Amino acid sequence: KAGVTQTPRYLIKTRGQQVTLSCSPISGHRSVSWYQQTPGQGLQFLFEYFSETQRNKGNFPGRFSGRQFSNSRSEMNVSTLELGDSALYLCASSLTNSGSYGYTFGSGTRLTVV
Amino acid sequence: GNSVTQMEGPVTLSEEAFLTINCTYTATGYPSLFWYVQYPGEGLQLLLKATKADDKGSNKGFEATYRKETTSFHLEKGSVQVSDSAVYFCALTQGGSEKLVFGKGTKLTVNP
Repeated sequence: KAGVTQTPRYLIKTRGQQVTLSCSPISGHRSVSWYQQTPGQGLQFLFEYFSETQRNKGNFPGRFSGRQFSNSRSEMNVSTLELGDSALYLCASSLTNSGSYGYTFGSGTRLTVV
Repeated sequence: GNSVTQMEGPVTLSEEAFLTINCTYTATGYPSLFWYVQYPGEGLQLLLKATKADDKGSNKGFEATYRKETTSFHLEKGSVQVSDSAVYFCALTQGGSEKLVFGKGTKLTVNP
């Protein structure tokens, strides 16, 4: 059974550019969440999608956006990149819309902004 | 709001030593509790979970018991191996939300 697939694994962008990250959840999983991981702030919640609807959003500026498609694949976009956006971006999928089920994480996309 | 506090790391142990990583939480009601592990260069893997008070989660020799009276979910393992070297995160979800709230993580190094 394929796991959660995130592409690309590594990305280098310049300040002011925009970036799109992709996440393919485990087959049959309808919930996708995104997290940002940095050494200073740790793991912070970005968004949560279930059946193409954003159910929850973390405390991030509007430059961070996301969406989910009908096949449950998800993308997140960061516009006008800043140096502080350099981080590991993790996607997680879950079978249900209940938080108690647990999540399967992808290996992440390492974004470096220069 | 909900929060998770983990013991500060790093933790360094010798192989076959006993491991405890403390985790306490602040939440209203009855959160679900998780331990995740992150190996170098990888994403997070669910290690174990507990969804109600007094539940014990266990996996790969690791255990944690949901203690509502002390709002704790401490991770234990009786005999660690070099391969257990990783960063361990305690986390919770609550109220039907799928949002995970994580602790800061505890880096464990096990020496042969």
